[in-house]
Parts: sequence; structure tokens; C-alpha cells
Amino acid sequence: ETGVTQSPTHLIKTRGQQVTLRCSSQSGHNTVSWYQQALGQGPQFIFQYYREEENGRGNFPPRFSGLQFPNYSSELNVNALELDDSALYLCASSSRTGGYEQYFGPGTRLTVT
Amino acid sequence: AQSVTQLDSQVPVFEEAPVELRCNYSSSVSVYLFWYVQYPNQGLQLLLKYLSGSTLVKSINGFEAEFNKSQTSFHLRKPSVHISDTAEYFCAVTLPYNNNDMRFGAGTRLTVKP
Repeated sequence: ETGVTQSPTHLIKTRGQQVTLRCSSQSGHNTVSWYQQALGQGPQFIFQYYREEENGRGNFPPRFSGLQFPNYSSELNVNALELDDSALYLCASSSRTGGYEQYFGPGTRLTVT
Repeated sequence: AQSVTQLDSQVPVFEEAPVELRCNYSSSVSVYLFWYVQYPNQGLQLLLKYLSGSTLVKSINGFEAEFNKSQTSFHLRKPSVHISDTAEYFCAVTLPYNNNDMRFGAGTRLTVKP
């Protein structure tokens, strides 16, 4: 069984640029959630995708957008990057028949300069 | 909306000593509760969860947590810690049958000293 994978591992971008982060869900999981974890803080919910549709969104502006593909992998896109977007971005997959716990990937460390 | 407060940002403890990491939640309805552990430069790993039933839940590596509805708490305990338990621990809460807005606490840094 393959776990949740994320790419890239690290990324450095300049303020104003756009970035795309990728996530492959665990086998058998049809739900993907994205979180932002700033240094020294707990993860903050960005949004969730279930069967290719957005299924809930946290308090993040529209420049944070996402996609889920038929194989349940997912992308997080961030436009017009700001310095405060520097964080660890975590992807988690889950299954509604699996007890609702989320399985996290290792994260992508984004640095905006 | 539901929320979680972790009362200690850092907990230093000596090896083989007992430890308790405190978590209180706030919600007007019933909730699911989770503890996750994060090792340096890694993602979060599920430690244990409370969905319903027995209020005492246990992990395979000796941690346990007790759901206390009257005190709205879900404290994590271990009777004897190891150096390898050094990590960041997060308490999290969601609404039943719906994990699309999991709320995490700020985390507790457990440091086990020899």
C-alpha cells in the first residue's frame, strides 16, 4: 500500500509568482485535504476535495485554489505569492469508509522571498 | 465552530518519567478527537482517535488518551517516555461524519531528556 506522497519537497519562489504543489493520495482514498502549517503553529485547513469537487474551504483567499483528478491525486495552486505564504503545505487523504482519520504526506516546504 | 486548545507549548521530561499533554476542545455538538505526532521534517502521523464508545483509547506505542465530555478534554498520557518520543504533538477535532474542517491545536513540543 502506497502512502501519501507530495512534490516537490522544497520550493523557493519570489513574491508575486505562482506555485503549484502536488499530492498523490493513499490507495483507496477518494478525499484529499490541504493544510498550511506556518512555523511553530498547527496546521490550518485550506480546503478539501471529494470526488473532484471542492467539499469545504477554510479561511483562505481565492488565490488559493485546487484541483482533484479522476485518480484522486490533487494540486494546490497559489497565485500572487506573499511573504506570509511561506510555510509547510501538507496534503492528507482519507476515505469516508475508513473512520475519518486523515493520512498525511511529508509536506512541501515553500519559501517566498 | 469547533476549536482546540493545547495548554502547554513545551513539555520537557526525563526519560522513563510519566507525561501528560493537555488538550481541551470547544464545540456545541459532539465531536471526533485525534492526536497526531510530527517528527522533525515530516508530516503528521495519527497516534490515536476517539470517535465514540469507550472513552479511553490507546495507541500501539504506549500512549493513551481519555475523552472527558464534562471537562471537554482529551489529554494524552504515557506512563514512561523514551528519547524517541521527542516530537511535536497535535490535538485535533472534527465534527462527526465530516472531516472537511479538521481544527488543530498549536501543538506541544515534548522533549525527552536522558
